[in-house]
Amino acid sequence: GGIITQTPKFLIGQEGQKLTLKCQQNFNHDTMYWYRQDSGKGLRLIYYSITENDLQKGDLSEGYDASREKKSSFSLTVTSAQKNEMAVFLCASSRDSNQDTQYFGPGTRLLVL
Amino acid sequence: QQQVRQSPQSLTVWEGETAILNCSYEDSTFDYFPWYWQFPRESPALLIAIRPVSNKKEDGRFTIFFNKREKKLSLHITDSQPGDSATYFCAASEGTNAYKVIFGKGTHLHVLP
Repeated sequence: GGIITQTPKFLIGQEGQKLTLKCQQNFNHDTMYWYRQDSGKGLRLIYYSITENDLQKGDLSEGYDASREKKSSFSLTVTSAQKNEMAVFLCASSRDSNQDTQYFGPGTRLLVL
Repeated sequence: QQQVRQSPQSLTVWEGETAILNCSYEDSTFDYFPWYWQFPRESPALLIAIRPVSNKKEDGRFTIFFNKREKKLSLHITDSQPGDSATYFCAASEGTNAYKVIFGKGTHLHVLP
């Protein structure tokens, strides 16, 4: 077994601010993901990383940067927070590429004032 | 363009009834279809998954029926329980880019006691 930790749990930012979300996993999984979940819109892929130092853009990458500093950690940066933005950012990991199960973290809830 | 569509958006059934959740997809190259469920204030978790080599996958009270020709699948939950109340996401991916999982918007299932 393992666990995915996301910090912070809640994040309140100001319009235009750069905000960083962090994710750690101890599954020893190769692949990590960042999703955004908006009410009524399901999960949308922002970035994913197949291995340490790898970065791949998802469908929603504009306005975000990501960094895979080491195998166990994956960070996401909102480059310029949008006013009244409210969403949950979910980090996930999976063992490898063969359509393995994705395990999700508890999420970071973002509110931009 | 939405590649994975789910219906209905919301479904209410009585305890003991069979709940039927529908999913359709656009891309005929999709070859892996996981269903994730998400309980209120929790993260998504894998429930059951199917590959097109079979047209049915069963796990206890949960069964996926798959129709490759019509690009449709459905999740049947027999003997529904109040504890099954959750949001169910149909998802899809294809082998050449297996990391990129496309999620539908979800069906909110309410099981009344």
